[in-house]
This record gives sequence, C-alpha cells and structure tokens, in this order.
Amino acid sequence: KQEVTQIPAALSVPEGENLVLNCSFTDSAIYNLQWFRQDPGKGLTSLLLIQSSQREQTSGRLNASLDKSSGRSTLYIAASQPGDSATYLCAVTDDYKLSFGAGTTVTVRA
Amino acid sequence: DAGVIQSPRHEVTEMGQEVTLRCKPISGHNSLFWYRQTMMRGLELLIYFNNNVPIDDSGMPEDRFSAKMPNASFSTLKIQPSEPRDSAVYFCASSLAGHSGNTIYFGEGSWLTVV
Repeated sequence: KQEVTQIPAALSVPEGENLVLNCSFTDSAIYNLQWFRQDPGKGLTSLLLIQSSQREQTSGRLNASLDKSSGRSTLYIAASQPGDSATYLCAVTDDYKLSFGAGTTVTVRA
Repeated sequence: DAGVIQSPRHEVTEMGQEVTLRCKPISGHNSLFWYRQTMMRGLELLIYFNNNVPIDDSGMPEDRFSAKMPNASFSTLKIQPSEPRDSAVYFCASSLAGHSGNTIYFGEGSWLTVV
C-alpha cells in the first residue's frame, strides 16, 4: 500500500523567505505526482502535476521536483507572500487512485 | 467553466437520518471521485466512477454508504442511517480519463456534521 509522508507538518516563515516543502512516498511505481493547495473551508486546487517521466515542473514562483527512484518530491515557493498561507498536499497517482499526504500547513508572516 | 459543484455546502443532521450529497462534475470529464477528509485519516477515496460506471468502491466504509451516477453530469453519495463518526468533509472531484496524466479538479466540499 502506498504511503505518502509530508514533512514538516507545519511551517511559519517571514514574508519574502523561500519555502521548501517535502514529500516522500514508498512505492516508486507511480503515474504522476501532484501538489495541491487547500485554503481553510475550501476544496483542493491543483498547483503542479509532474508526470513520472519528468524531473520537475514550474509555474510562476512554484517549482516542484520529482525523484521517482528515491521516492521524493520537493515543492519550492520563491519569495513567499502572506497569500501563500495555506495547507499544501502532495498526492501520487497509481493508475486512477490518488494517495495523499497529510499536508504541510504554511503560515507566511507579514 | 463553473468547476465541480457540490451541494449542500454544509449539513447538520441527527444520528439515524438519511444524508444525500450531490455533485455535478465538470462538463466533458468522464471520471468522478468521492473523497472523505477527516483530521484523523486525511483524504480517503470512497468511490471512483468512469463513464458513469463504478470502478472501485473499496473505500466505501460500510453498507450504510452508497453512491450513484445516473448520468455524466450528476452523482450522489448517500449515507443511511447516518452516525456521528460520519462527520467529515466530503469532496467530489472529476478529471478526464482517470488520474493518469490529467489534472483532477475538486469541488469545495460538503461539510457534514452528524449529532
């Protein structure tokens, strides 16, 4: 059974600092990995999707890397802003099923 | 597009009552998922439909839970009878042709409280 772990569980940084969020998974036989953002009381918004054949994806200030062989992914958020405060979840896809980590709750202090 | 639409957004009901949650997926998406989110267990897949057919319902916790997808634009998740431990956020999500290679879009969830 796929196990997805996210460390740290919570993170608080001053505005402008770069964020580094980690995700690890136990079974490397994945189709893809997605990073989601969840705001309080809201659903999940997909931020980045990395196919299993890719090493990284970038969107604006966000960059996600994938090392399938070691079962790791990292989400980098450059020059953090208070609006980046949210919970970030990673999920790996095994055929149709997404296995989610518990998330990292980020607070960016103004 | 309006995105995945769920109703009701919030529901408070008494133990033993029937609860019906509704979902309208994004037009053109042929895969639909129901997830449950709790503090203790995180996000769990309850059931997956492809082209309106249930493919995997192994995550449905008990016979009290049932889900239907009568057409490509509508799905329901029903709990009968409801219990306090069913209190959670229930998300519906849709995508094109399953998870592999395609972004999945989530609704804003139905927040269920059973008292």
